[in-house]
Amino acid sequence: AQTIHQWPVAEIKAVGSPLSLGCTIKGKSSPNLYWYWQATGGTLQQLFYSITVGQVESVVQLNLSASRPKDDQFILSTEKLLLSHSGFYLCAWSLLGGDEQYFGPGTRLTVL
Amino acid sequence: GDSVTQTEGPVTLSEGTSLTVNCSYETKQYPTLFWYVQYPGEGPQLLFKVPKANEKGSSRGFEATYNKEATSFHLQKASVQESDSAVYYCALIGGSAKLIFGEGTKLTVSS
Repeated sequence: AQTIHQWPVAEIKAVGSPLSLGCTIKGKSSPNLYWYWQATGGTLQQLFYSITVGQVESVVQLNLSASRPKDDQFILSTEKLLLSHSGFYLCAWSLLGGDEQYFGPGTRLTVL
Repeated sequence: GDSVTQTEGPVTLSEGTSLTVNCSYETKQYPTLFWYVQYPGEGPQLLFKVPKANEKGSSRGFEATYNKEATSFHLQKASVQESDSAVYYCALIGGSAKLIFGEGTKLTVSS
């Protein structure tokens, strides 16, 4: 069975500090991977997607970047956090582009 | 572009009563429609998807019919339980090939 793991579970960071969030998918070969951001009480907004290793497309940047260094790994990062980066970050996977997406447990980010 | 509009929440119901969460959508392409549920502090879970017009999806007692003419996909449950308390999202994949979520409807069920 496929599993999706996100790390860390939660982070509290200072404005201007760097950030790296990770996501690992096990049990699926060559999935499509996605990053979403969710403000507290808000809906989900897709940030990035990747259909293969080394290839990432930006949907909404928000001064963030993403990379896919391995088939089963997706990284979200920034060199300088803003207050507006606070929220819930979710990684998701799908088999194909038009398929249903399955979400990870999320990372809660608080920027102070 | 693609968009989804759903019942503005929050919705508060007593156990055993029926639920309807309205969802309407806009897209220039033939969409695949989804309902997701999100519990506090967790990622969204897929309730079900319906890829074809006039078909019904169902799971855990929830159901929705993809009405192409009305561009609607309302979520219904005949008898809600306290454990159904969560936020429900209607979503679609349409012409943009992105998964677009509605604003979410928070359901609270009291015993």
